[in-house]
Amino acid sequence: GAVVSQHPSRVICKSGTSVKIECRSLDFQATTMFWYRQFPKQSLMLMATSNEGSKATYEQGVEKDKFLINHASLTLSTLTVTSAHPEDSSFYICSAKQPGPSSGQPQHFGDGTRLSIL
Amino acid sequence: AQKITQTQPGMFVQEKEAVTLDCTYDTSDPSYGLFWYKQPSSGEMIFLIYQGSYDQQNATEGRYSLNFQKARKSANLVISASQLGDSAMYFCAMREGRNYGQNFVFGPGTRLSVLP
Repeated sequence: GAVVSQHPSRVICKSGTSVKIECRSLDFQATTMFWYRQFPKQSLMLMATSNEGSKATYEQGVEKDKFLINHASLTLSTLTVTSAHPEDSSFYICSAKQPGPSSGQPQHFGDGTRLSIL
Repeated sequence: AQKITQTQPGMFVQEKEAVTLDCTYDTSDPSYGLFWYKQPSSGEMIFLIYQGSYDQQNATEGRYSLNFQKARKSANLVISASQLGDSAMYFCAMREGRNYGQNFVFGPGTRLSVLP
């Protein structure tokens, strides 16, 4: 089946550091990828939709300058948490959908990145 | 209004028994898809099963089946012959419309614990 790779799986860093998370579709081209944030014991919250070759679409309440998204190729989207602070600590997970018109195509998720800001 | 409701924050089931996880949804779009994902404690999201709004039959995938009641707007997940490895969070999700780029809306999830 389709595979989405997310790296790194875990990051621990000091407050003020910028952290980049990569999301790659390994065996298909993904024109659209999605970035989610998940707090403990809660559901996934969509942060932004990453579109290849154009600007990302951010959900209401998500700071564009804080969470920079770059979708430079059909297989790679990156999320950069700029000047991270302890409140940015969370589980971040990306997903991609295989091309095709069928609404039945599932989203394939990366394994997530657990970000801890000290 | 919540688009996806999962009323069971936690469920327990005895190993080898069947369990039903509830999901109700709200949409005015005639075209939509319903998905179930499993999230173990390690965090990855595992796709389990899909049901399309126009599908005539309930979806089945191994030990997973979906009890789709369109008029009630419910899409309950049935897991038969529960195994210890089924212990995880389970999320119901919906995609509305035929738009390829349309995002999922996730429910709050149900934590399933399988007892030996």
